[in-house]
Amino acid sequence: AQSVTQPDIHITVSEGASLELRCNYSYGATPYLFWYVQSPGQGLQLLLKYFSGDTLVQGIKGFEAEFKRSQSSFNLRKPSVHWSDAAEYFCAVGMGAQKLVFGQGTRLTINP
Amino acid sequence: GAGVSQSPSNKVTEKGKDVELRCDPISGHTALYWYRQSLGQGLEFLIYFQGNSAPDKSGLPSDRFSAERTGGSVSTLTIQRTQQEDSAVYLCASSYAGTVNTEAFFGQGTRLTVV
Repeated sequence: AQSVTQPDIHITVSEGASLELRCNYSYGATPYLFWYVQSPGQGLQLLLKYFSGDTLVQGIKGFEAEFKRSQSSFNLRKPSVHWSDAAEYFCAVGMGAQKLVFGQGTRLTINP
Repeated sequence: GAGVSQSPSNKVTEKGKDVELRCDPISGHTALYWYRQSLGQGLEFLIYFQGNSAPDKSGLPSDRFSAERTGGSVSTLTIQRTQQEDSAVYLCASSYAGTVNTEAFFGQGTRLTVV
């Protein structure tokens, strides 16, 4: 079955530390891949997306993600996190013409 | 408007009552989506409207759920005979072209609590 898995429900990192959030998908064709961020009391905001081409994509707020077809992964990274990065992060996969399928989300806490 | 607007932002209702949730998409966006966000469950696709085409209702969890979109703009999600398991945040999104590679813009959601 088509699915998106974010293995980490909650991650805590110190401010200034590097960050990697994992995302794995199960889909027969080449997917469209997205990362969204949801800050407290806010709607979801698109961080970055991958459709084709260079497998390392840059997004807003200093985030990047790498598509690895062999591992069916699209992990999100940031070299140095800021306190304002505390939020919930959702990986999503475009399956079919219009539908986005989301993972369960990873809640990121930043220690000062 | 400047963004996707949803109302009300919070709704508390008694079990068995009907509720209506409203979504005003970004002007000019032809596609509109409803998702449900339950605690620890991620976002669950409910329904998708694109222009004048028949909506994709494949995500609606039961026949108590329905949605309409009037005049290709505002959408209303109706839940009849609400149950406690309907408690969740209901998110609306819109996009310009309605294809998955077009960015979807999300509203802030309606938090529904069924007591």
